[in-house]
Amino acid sequence: DAKTTQPPSMDCAEGRAANLPCNHSTISGNEYVYWYRQIHSQGPQYIIHGLKNNETNEMASLIITEDRKSSTLILPHATLRDTAVYYCIVRASTSGTYKYIFGTGTRLKVLA
Amino acid sequence: NAGVTQTPKFQVLKTGQSMTLQCAQDMNHEYMSWYRQDPGMGLRLIHYSVGAGITDQGEVPNGYNVSRSTTEDFPLRLLSAAPSQTSVYFCASRRGTYNSPLHFGNGTRLTVT
Repeated sequence: DAKTTQPPSMDCAEGRAANLPCNHSTISGNEYVYWYRQIHSQGPQYIIHGLKNNETNEMASLIITEDRKSSTLILPHATLRDTAVYYCIVRASTSGTYKYIFGTGTRLKVLA
Repeated sequence: NAGVTQTPKFQVLKTGQSMTLQCAQDMNHEYMSWYRQDPGMGLRLIHYSVGAGITDQGEVPNGYNVSRSTTEDFPLRLLSAAPSQTSVYFCASRRGTYNSPLHFGNGTRLTVT
C-alpha cells in the first residue's frame, strides 16, 4: 500500500503562507494525492487533490513534484481558523478496490 | 443537502452491550466507509462498501459488522462492546468516480466502560 510521511507539527504566522510537505515515494502512476484537514474533533474536511499537475482551489494550492514522490499543500494566507491537523493521503489499491489510508498528519498551529 | 449524517453524537456502553452506529448520506454516493480515530493513531479503516449489497473489511474489522441494504445507509454494529472499542467513529462516502474525494460525517464518540 502506498504510504505517506508528514512532519508531526508545524507553526505558521498569521497572514503568512503555510507550506505543508508530504512524502509519498511509493505512489503508483495512477494514484491521486488527497489533502484533508481536521479541526478539533470534527470530521475530516476535504481540501484538494491532484494527480501530477499543480492544482488550486479557493482553499489551497497543491504542488506535486515531477517524479510524484512528494507534494506540498500551500495555504496562501493562513488564518487562526486554519489551525488543524492536515492529512496527506494516497489512495491504496487492493484487489481492484481503493482504500484511503490516513497517517497521523501534521498538526499546524497558526500563531497570532 | 445534509451530506453525511451520523447518529448518535455521543454514546456510553457497558462491556458486552451491543449497539448500532447509524450513518446516512443524501448525495447518492456509491462508496461508503467507517473509520475509527484513536489518539496518536490517525484514522483507521474498519469496513467499507462499494455499493448496496457489497461490503468488505478494512484494516481493523474485528468486533464490527456492517451491511448495506440501501445506497443511503451504512450502519456499523458492535455485537459485544469492549473497552478497546472506545474511540471516535467517522462515516464517509464518495461517488464511484475513480478520483472522487471522501466526504465525512461529524463523528460518534463512543465510550465503553
